[in-house]
Amino acid sequence: EDKVVQSPLSLVVHEGDTVTLNCSYEVTNFRSLLWYKQEKKAPTFLFMLTSSGIEKKSGRLSSILDKKELFSILNITATQTGDSAIYLCALVGGANSKLTFGKGITLSVRP
Amino acid sequence: IAGITQAPTSQILAAGRRMTLRCTQDMRHNAMYWYRQDLGLGLRLIHYSNTAGTTGKGEVPDGYSVSRANTDDFPLTLASAVPSQTSVYFCASSDSDRGSPLHFGNGTRLTVT
Repeated sequence: EDKVVQSPLSLVVHEGDTVTLNCSYEVTNFRSLLWYKQEKKAPTFLFMLTSSGIEKKSGRLSSILDKKELFSILNITATQTGDSAIYLCALVGGANSKLTFGKGITLSVRP
Repeated sequence: IAGITQAPTSQILAAGRRMTLRCTQDMRHNAMYWYRQDLGLGLRLIHYSNTAGTTGKGEVPDGYSVSRANTDDFPLTLASAVPSQTSVYFCASSDSDRGSPLHFGNGTRLTVT
């Protein structure tokens, strides 16, 4: 059974801090790993990772995948209060290529 | 604005009642999904549809049914609601069933009393 484990489950930082969110996984037939940000309502797409060692970057957010060690990290530099959200890691794999979500990491950024 | 529309936004429902959650997308995506999100359990797949006319069971399908008569609509029906179905329900779509990013609706908050 495919599995996605995110850590820590929650963390609190102050504006300007850098945070690293972790996602480890077990899967048969890996296809891709995705990161989402969820604020009040719908999760919004951040990154899709398919290859090891290639960093995806968008502003202060970046993410990288390690297919050998089976994990991904999402980095946020110079955090702002608007970064407060739940960050979801999702894995696409298995026989049916369906998404399996982790339980999410709740990030709180305090002024 | 292109996207996914879910209705209703929220609903309080008596146990034993039948309820259909509506989901419509205008992006012509082939694949559509229903998830429920519960505190401590994350997002769990209920049912999915890879293309119009086909559906499949996800991780937690019991008590739910879906239909996919056309590309745009993917309603989720609770035939006889139970309190354990209290949750936030998200509909999502993607332009393929092979790992493309999902686009989510804004969710339906359902409370079964």
